[in-house]
Amino acid sequence: AQSVTQPDIHITVSEGASLELRCNYSYGATPYLFWYVQSPGQGLQLLLKYFSGDTLVQGIKGFEAEFKRSQSSFNLRKPSVHWSDAAEYFCAPVQDAGNMLTFGGGTRLMVKP
Amino acid sequence: DTGVSQNPRHKITKRGQNVTFRCDPISEHNRLYWYRQTLGQGPEFLTYFQNEAQLEKSRLLSDRFSAERPKGSFSTLEIQRTEQGDSAMYLCASSLAVENGYTFGSGTRLTVV
Repeated sequence: AQSVTQPDIHITVSEGASLELRCNYSYGATPYLFWYVQSPGQGLQLLLKYFSGDTLVQGIKGFEAEFKRSQSSFNLRKPSVHWSDAAEYFCAPVQDAGNMLTFGGGTRLMVKP
Repeated sequence: DTGVSQNPRHKITKRGQNVTFRCDPISEHNRLYWYRQTLGQGPEFLTYFQNEAQLEKSRLLSDRFSAERPKGSFSTLEIQRTEQGDSAMYLCASSLAVENGYTFGSGTRLTVV
């Protein structure tokens, strides 16, 4: 069965520190991969996406993600976290055009001053 | 492009009442999705329209739920005989192609008392 896992429910980092949020998926073939961010009480905003080609993709707000086929992972990274990055982050694969985005359980990021 | 608009933003209703939510997608997007999100969870897929045709429905969508997209533009989601378990954020998203990702609205928060 297709599934997506975000192993870390909560992460706390200090402002200025680096960040890595994990995402693992289980699909028959490499899916399209997306990361979304959700601020409290808000909808979801697309951070970045991967389909094929270069396995390191750049997104908005200084985020990047690396696709690793051998590990079935698509981890989100940021070199230096800002207080405004505190939010919930969702990884979402989709198998192909006929299917729907499936969201992981999310990782809540808290940023310490 | 005014984004995806959802109304109302909040709805409080008594158990057993019917409620209807509206979603106005980005005008050129032919695909429209409804998701439900409960506290601390990722969004769960409910239903999908391509133009006016409802192409996919989740098992989560009980007989009390109905969605329409009459002219392939805006969509409505109706819940009949609401139950406390229906309390959630209802998110609408639209897309032109899956590889572009979805654009989400800010959601309608339903509270059933």
